[in-house]
Amino acid sequence: EAQVTQNPRYLITVTGKKLTVTCSQNMNHEYMSWYRQDPGLGLRQIYYSMNVEVTDKGDVPEGYKVSRKEKRNFPLILESPSPNQTSLYFCASSLIQGAVNEQFFGPGTRLTVL
Amino acid sequence: SQQGEEDPQALSIQEGENATMNCSYKTSINNLQWYRQNSGRGLVHLILIRSNEREKHSGRLRVTLDTSKKSSSLLITASRAADTASYFCATDGPLGGFKTIFGAGTRLFVKA
Repeated sequence: EAQVTQNPRYLITVTGKKLTVTCSQNMNHEYMSWYRQDPGLGLRQIYYSMNVEVTDKGDVPEGYKVSRKEKRNFPLILESPSPNQTSLYFCASSLIQGAVNEQFFGPGTRLTVL
Repeated sequence: SQQGEEDPQALSIQEGENATMNCSYKTSINNLQWYRQNSGRGLVHLILIRSNEREKHSGRLRVTLDTSKKSSSLLITASRAADTASYFCATDGPLGGFKTIFGAGTRLFVKA
């Protein structure tokens, strides 16, 4: 089954404790992306990746890191989480055919930073 | 920065009625996409319209794109209670880049 998986689905942590949210897709998509969703703000892109070892900032990259060492995986790293990073996070992937096409979304990770 | 902005923010209709949602954006695009989200879940792609297209249909969905006005509309005909969800438009970034920019969404409630 074609899918995007994220882990963990729920996470409660404390300020400053490094964490990683994993994302994996089995569709051989070049494009992968991380978004955060906050009430009333829709989805805001954090980072995206065009292919292995190619990443770029979205609109809200501060406080986050990513890596793309393999095509299927795109982990999101919070080196020193803060309460303002409490949010619902989504990973997505897509084929690129001149432009980003239909994005397939993971189920989301709800993060709370105390 | 928010490129896509949906209008209205919320919409409540009776089952069987049509629902229209609008999206405006600021810069040139390669394509515009509409997504649906059921409460707190992942987004599901509905339809993609390219910048050289003016109208597209998929089942009960009809999307229009007016690049001169930088706007798009999503029409859901003969709505059902199961259409209750949030709907988002998404565009690629300025100058056809590979950023994706979502609007804040329209919350649709269809009463049975």
